[in-house]
Amino acid sequence: QSALTQPASVSGSPGQSITISCTGTSSDVGGYNYVSWYQQHPGKAPKLMIYDVSNRPSGVSNRFSGSKSGNTASLTISGLQAEDEADYYCSSYTSSSSLVVFGGGTKLTVL
Amino acid sequence: QITLKESGPTLVKPTQTLTLTCTFSGFSLSTSGVGVGWIRQPPGKALEWLALIYWNDDKRYSPSLKSRLTITKDTSKNQVVLTMTNMDPVDTATYYCAHSLWLVRRNFDYWGQGTLVTVSS
Repeated sequence: QSALTQPASVSGSPGQSITISCTGTSSDVGGYNYVSWYQQHPGKAPKLMIYDVSNRPSGVSNRFSGSKSGNTASLTISGLQAEDEADYYCSSYTSSSSLVVFGGGTKLTVL
Repeated sequence: QITLKESGPTLVKPTQTLTLTCTFSGFSLSTSGVGVGWIRQPPGKALEWLALIYWNDDKRYSPSLKSRLTITKDTSKNQVVLTMTNMDPVDTATYYCAHSLWLVRRNFDYWGQGTLVTVSS
């Protein structure tokens, strides 16, 4: 059981927007602005898409955005494209002895 | 350009010790603030953080695996080594190493391709 809770799957049609939630506690998501989101295509390594809740690394499309409210962070992908179909993982710094925790992952299907 | 690549055995027997090497380029692990972490992913399952070593040789481990893990670095060779003792079939996973500026960014921004390790007799 992962420390952060994500929906197992979400789906959307090309051009639509979707949002993936990531729920933690005040010891991780709610307590720090250190939420990151990773995209993982099958058989590939994870790729950092969002860091520090809402910042995009250089080269990541501005269709990807992040936000946080309380103990829940969210990743929004607008203008869905076929290439966005992948697994998405959230992570957060945690004040527990674990240092960093990941979510269980969300499979995004582009219909 | 930062790159990392994991290497090690693809098959280990239960109770054996696993040794994985992460060879990297494009950065130095002697630079202040730099870290290298290990993360694993069992087939079809989620990511799990294992360990992190900092430029100053400070080390952090997952509490659930701390007794079995050792992370070391060889700055001159641009390598980080992870050892995991007493391997079990549940440790079957793809093991990734990743670069981090952990003290300021709390994320892993560059990842290796991963190496699949199967634990079976």
